[in-house]
Amino acid sequence: QVQLVQSGAEVKQPGASVKVSCKASGYTFSNYYIHWVRQAPGQGLTWMGTINPIDGSTTYAQKFQGRVAMTRDTSSTTVYMELSSLTFEDTANYYCARGGAFDLWGEGTMVTVSS
Amino acid sequence: EVVLTQSPDFQSVTPKEKVTITCRASQTISSSVHWYQQRPYQSPKLLIKYTSQSISGVPSRFSGGGSGTDFTLTISSLEPEDAATYYCHQSSILPYTFGQGTKLEIK
Repeated sequence: QVQLVQSGAEVKQPGASVKVSCKASGYTFSNYYIHWVRQAPGQGLTWMGTINPIDGSTTYAQKFQGRVAMTRDTSSTTVYMELSSLTFEDTANYYCARGGAFDLWGEGTMVTVSS
Repeated sequence: EVVLTQSPDFQSVTPKEKVTITCRASQTISSSVHWYQQRPYQSPKLLIKYTSQSISGVPSRFSGGGSGTDFTLTISSLEPEDAATYYCHQSSILPYTFGQGTKLEIK
């Protein structure tokens, strides 16, 4: 079954970091870039960046530069997104999505930043 | 960055009505424009890719078109299950961006 399965919900304090995973299965992992998109409660979609599964090269949105890191583990076909220096504004649902047209999405990981 | 502006923001429509959602880009972009449907508490779902390419499993009442700066998503005959928020997205110019969303309510 072709799918992206994400890790579970997280609650973090301001200033902390969070690492979200996205495991790909059912297709050739190296054939598709993985993107990360976030959605604050009741808000729209924001593209955060992307990773090339072949060589691990990344491109990040300027808004998140210096605070986000995307990595991959080809042996487990898993992509990771780590966001540091969390603030309350980082409370959101974080999605991974596949390929140029984002044709496959994970179920989302809710990250809540709360003191 | 490319700003995508959708219109309308909200529309209340009756079943079987034809609906057109517009997505206007702040600069000329290629045909790398895609449309998604998001129902409450669900992940976005791809409806149309590369402006007008249909997606397997998506009902044929959904179609896309446009070029340059103006793109459209059309639902030819609205069904009750089409109540959702619709987003356009461009993957032509980095950073990739999304429209603000159009919420469709079924009367």
